[in-house]
Amino acid sequence: DQQVKQNSPSLSVQEGRISILNCDYTNSMFDYFLWYKKYPAEGPTFLISISSIKDKNEDGRFTVFLNKSAKHLSLHIVPSQPGDSAVYFCATNQGGKLIFGQGTELSVKP
Amino acid sequence: EAQVTQNPRYLITVTGKKLTVTCSQNMNHEYMSWYRQDPGLGLRQIYYSMNVEVTDKGDVPEGYKVSRKEKRNFPLILESPSPNQTSLYFCASSLSIAGTSTDTQYFGPGTRLTVL
Repeated sequence: DQQVKQNSPSLSVQEGRISILNCDYTNSMFDYFLWYKKYPAEGPTFLISISSIKDKNEDGRFTVFLNKSAKHLSLHIVPSQPGDSAVYFCATNQGGKLIFGQGTELSVKP
Repeated sequence: EAQVTQNPRYLITVTGKKLTVTCSQNMNHEYMSWYRQDPGLGLRQIYYSMNVEVTDKGDVPEGYKVSRKEKRNFPLILESPSPNQTSLYFCASSLSIAGTSTDTQYFGPGTRLTVL
């Protein structure tokens, strides 16, 4: 049973526009969330994180929003660039391990 | 350069032939783990290690073994591989427990394993 879900396998946006990637989770006790980015033939790399004591965290073009009541988080990329094309995973920690969503493949078209 | 290395990067083998995938990190990290990535399932943790000689099962440990004799190395062992272990494997390390606010996991480049 998937505790962290990314229901959109893929997303395509135009360069310069906003990309919004969504993630839902099932357990209200989860208190720390991360986004990882993965290019083909490479391992995932950490992108941005958020603690449950916050509802927003921003780092340059990347912003993560957390809605605890809805058990939902989203990653906003503004403006999107072709180099952002990758698979994005949301994850949370649970007792020493990371639990990942299925991933969303973002394609940013010039 | 701080990194996690895995070898081999690609491996094709046959059912039942024991194999080992090596993982090494040069960051003096305490915590290491193995994940497998499968289509539609994301990454799932196989085993993890909090420190030398301390290992524990993740979500999908069946058919795998690990060891942590030294801090820098965390090999993944498949004693008798089966086709359902065909997957993309990632080793990762972090300073301490995964996902805390002062720490992130660093991943190796992956090992693509095919078991025929």
